[in-house]
Amino acid sequence: GQQLNQSPQSMFIQEGEDVSMNCTSSSIFNTWLWYKQDPGEGPVLLIALYKAGELTSNGRLTAQFGITRKDSFLNISASIPSDVGIYFCAGQLYYGGSQGNLIFGKGTKLSVKP
Amino acid sequence: NAGVTQTPKFQVLKTGQSMTLQCAQDMNHEYMSWYRQDPGMGLRLIHYSVGAGITDQGEVPNGYNVSRSTTEDFPLRLLSAAPSQTSVYFCASSEDLAETQYFGPGTRLLVL
Repeated sequence: GQQLNQSPQSMFIQEGEDVSMNCTSSSIFNTWLWYKQDPGEGPVLLIALYKAGELTSNGRLTAQFGITRKDSFLNISASIPSDVGIYFCAGQLYYGGSQGNLIFGKGTKLSVKP
Repeated sequence: NAGVTQTPKFQVLKTGQSMTLQCAQDMNHEYMSWYRQDPGMGLRLIHYSVGAGITDQGEVPNGYNVSRSTTEDFPLRLLSAAPSQTSVYFCASSEDLAETQYFGPGTRLLVL
């Protein structure tokens, strides 16, 4: 099946640091979504991107839809302790006029530096 | 609105037992789906429905059945549980396939 490559798999953050993560795919998507999942909870949508090249912010979060339609990145500026969790990218596959189901990356786990 | 609700929160089954995971949404969403989440695997689509009376298979449908008799409910049935079905199961809904999906809190299933 279709796959998204999300990196890094995990990272440690120190309060105040900026964080970057990205997703790449061999397939074209026409929608990219970024979710955050806290322990014991379901994923919650952070940012949705609908156009190639689109750059969208949500507070300290910024995400971009790659111009090739095959990648997206998420940046978190000035991280705080509550940013820890697992971040998922998801792409919606384009079937030449028909929308497909979401394909999820394997997640990036953010933890606090000891 | 309660959003997307799932029951039970936790379940332990023995191999071969059957059970139904419940999912309900009160947002009048047409599209509903079931995912399983395993460590290091992200979320994988099991089954989905684009409206009452319509269901289709996702990426990993084997061992699961679904039905959609109403817009609100989308139960997931395990016919004969296997240890490989130990996972966290999430239900999600959206207005239609192209819209943002909202996830329930999950059901944690352990099959012994």
